[in-house]
Amino acid sequence: GQSLEQPSEVTAVEGAIVQINCTYQTSGFYGLSWYQQHDGGAPTFLSYNALDGLEETGRFSSFLSRSDSYGYLLLQELQMKDSASYFCEAGKSTFGDGTTLTVKP
Amino acid sequence: DTEVTQTPKHLVMGMTNKKSLKCEQHMGHRAMYWYKQKAKKPPELMFVYSYEKLSINESVPSRFSPECPNSSLLNLHLHALQPEDSALYLCASSQVDYGYTFGSGTRLTVV
Repeated sequence: GQSLEQPSEVTAVEGAIVQINCTYQTSGFYGLSWYQQHDGGAPTFLSYNALDGLEETGRFSSFLSRSDSYGYLLLQELQMKDSASYFCEAGKSTFGDGTTLTVKP
Repeated sequence: DTEVTQTPKHLVMGMTNKKSLKCEQHMGHRAMYWYKQKAKKPPELMFVYSYEKLSINESVPSRFSPECPNSSLLNLHLHALQPEDSALYLCASSQVDYGYTFGSGTRLTVV
């Protein structure tokens, strides 16, 4: 089976940088993905790490360390529209419980 | 077309009703998925179709019945649901085993 742990809530101010961590325990690991979901909306794919290291996509970056069974999503230059839930997913459609990010002015 | 389209967006049904949820994608993705999502919870996988064949059924009650008529369409037939089945039902598609493209969902209320 698989289990993923991420913080339930994170709060930050506009313009700041925030890191959302995800630790996982899996019987077979295929890579770590991140999804964003606004209230009332559908999840949107943000990034995928199959190998160790950092992947950058604009203001968002994602990191993976297979040896530590750990990854994170880094959001820079936070904007109000980044307030949403963020889910990590470690293959086979197993999602973490989600982190609610609140960005304050 | 990079979208997954789901209909209807909202559905209210009685416990004795039969209804169907529909999902369509035109991205040529090989896999299509049904998820159930309760408020403040992650999506919970129900079914996976790969190349139009049911490949995963996550022990979903038989009152939920999936169907994949062709590579672009996915249906979820609902019958004799319970109030606890009220949730957001999401369809998704993917070409590989990550990077799912989700539809906007059907918000189902069972009364």
